[in-house]
Amino acid sequence: KAGVTQTPRYLIKTRGQQVTLSCSPISGHRSVSWYQQTPGQGLQFLFEYFSETQRNKGNFPGRFSGRQFSNSRSEMNVSTLELGDSALYLCASSFSGSETDTQYFGPGTRLTVL
Amino acid sequence: AQKVTQAQTEISVVEKEDVTLDCVYETRDTTYYLFWYKQPPSGELVFLIRRNSFDEQNEISGRYSWNFQKSTSSFNFTITASQVVDSAVYFCALRGGGSTLGRLYFGRGTQLTVWP
Repeated sequence: KAGVTQTPRYLIKTRGQQVTLSCSPISGHRSVSWYQQTPGQGLQFLFEYFSETQRNKGNFPGRFSGRQFSNSRSEMNVSTLELGDSALYLCASSFSGSETDTQYFGPGTRLTVL
Repeated sequence: AQKVTQAQTEISVVEKEDVTLDCVYETRDTTYYLFWYKQPPSGELVFLIRRNSFDEQNEISGRYSWNFQKSTSSFNFTITASQVVDSAVYFCALRGGGSTLGRLYFGRGTQLTVWP
């Protein structure tokens, strides 16, 4: 079974631009969660999607948004990039996102904002 | 509120030494789940183990073992006879009840370096 895939793996953008990251979950998994990892803040939860609906959201500004498609693939978008958005963005999938599920992570997208 | 504390920021050991990574958690939920993940330099978080709050049995998997103690809210991870390939950042994580759908609360991680 293929694991979680994320594209692209690396991105370099400039301040003010926007970016879209993609995540394909493990086959059969319907929940996708996104996390931001930085040296200063560690791993922080962005949002979770299940069946194309956002069910949970972390404490991030509205510049961070996401969506999920009918095939469970998910995208996250960051508009008006700031230097502080430079981070490793990790996507995780699980069967249903319930408390009993285990989340499996992708390799991440490393975003650098110049 | 959910919180995970990994007090050890960095640990260095020499190959074949045993090493224990500490994890202390806080939650008001009666049902919760604890996890350990490994993050090698490649960046991907690799799942190691999941325990629920009702199962306090210790678990051993090869050179890895986990000690879960509700009385001290701890879920420690021991690597026996460490190897260079064990070098990575290790994260402890917590998931609570229904209001935290799809969300893990992570500790800050412990960077383990195993020297040959």
